[in-house]
Amino acid sequence: NAGVTQTPKFRVLKTGQSMTLLCAQDMNHEYMYWYRQDPGMGLRLIHYSVGEGTTAKGEVPDGYNVSRLKKQNFLLGLESAAPSQTSVYFCASSYSRAEAFFGQGTRLTVV
Amino acid sequence: RKEVEQDPGPFNVPEGATVAFNCTYSNSASQSFFWYRQDCRKEPKLLMSVYSSGNEDGRFTAQLNRASQYISLLIRDSKLSDSATYLCVVNPGGITGNQFYFGTGTSLTVIP
Repeated sequence: NAGVTQTPKFRVLKTGQSMTLLCAQDMNHEYMYWYRQDPGMGLRLIHYSVGEGTTAKGEVPDGYNVSRLKKQNFLLGLESAAPSQTSVYFCASSYSRAEAFFGQGTRLTVV
Repeated sequence: RKEVEQDPGPFNVPEGATVAFNCTYSNSASQSFFWYRQDCRKEPKLLMSVYSSGNEDGRFTAQLNRASQYISLLIRDSKLSDSATYLCVVNPGGITGNQFYFGTGTSLTVIP
């Protein structure tokens, strides 16, 4: 019973490099979300999707792009990584306003 | 103004104590409310949903006051295993696309 799976779990990037974080869910949820979590800031929404082929900006979208080509996958891209993007990234999915299920997180360090 | 505000603590309580966490939210039209638990270096996990009539799950009681836009979580007979960060979560629903807004979390340490 996989739930929400994120890859990779850890990554170190150099400033200016790009990368894509993958989130996959097997619960047939319509809604998917990308959050970042920083000390003292709580979880902040980066982008979200209300269904296949749709994306929308959250609270802190700058420097990130997303795509939802398939219902089960939600990709988060960093085109040119900056040290300010060092964080723990969580993907989540939900069915309507019910419980959100989270992946295990990706710890990203940008040096 | 933040969507959800919580006292960050930390709360350090002895085993067996009762502890209460509070949370306020800014959007009066919010429709769904939750308490999540997050262990160190782990993902958040649902502790319990919060219903208008209040609800209880074992040692945990959650209450919602819509008039004051206030949510609470009461933990009775604290156990060492309750040590974690507790996150207050609100989902306004509707045209916002079902976004979940998180408080910064309240840290609890239960001491032997």
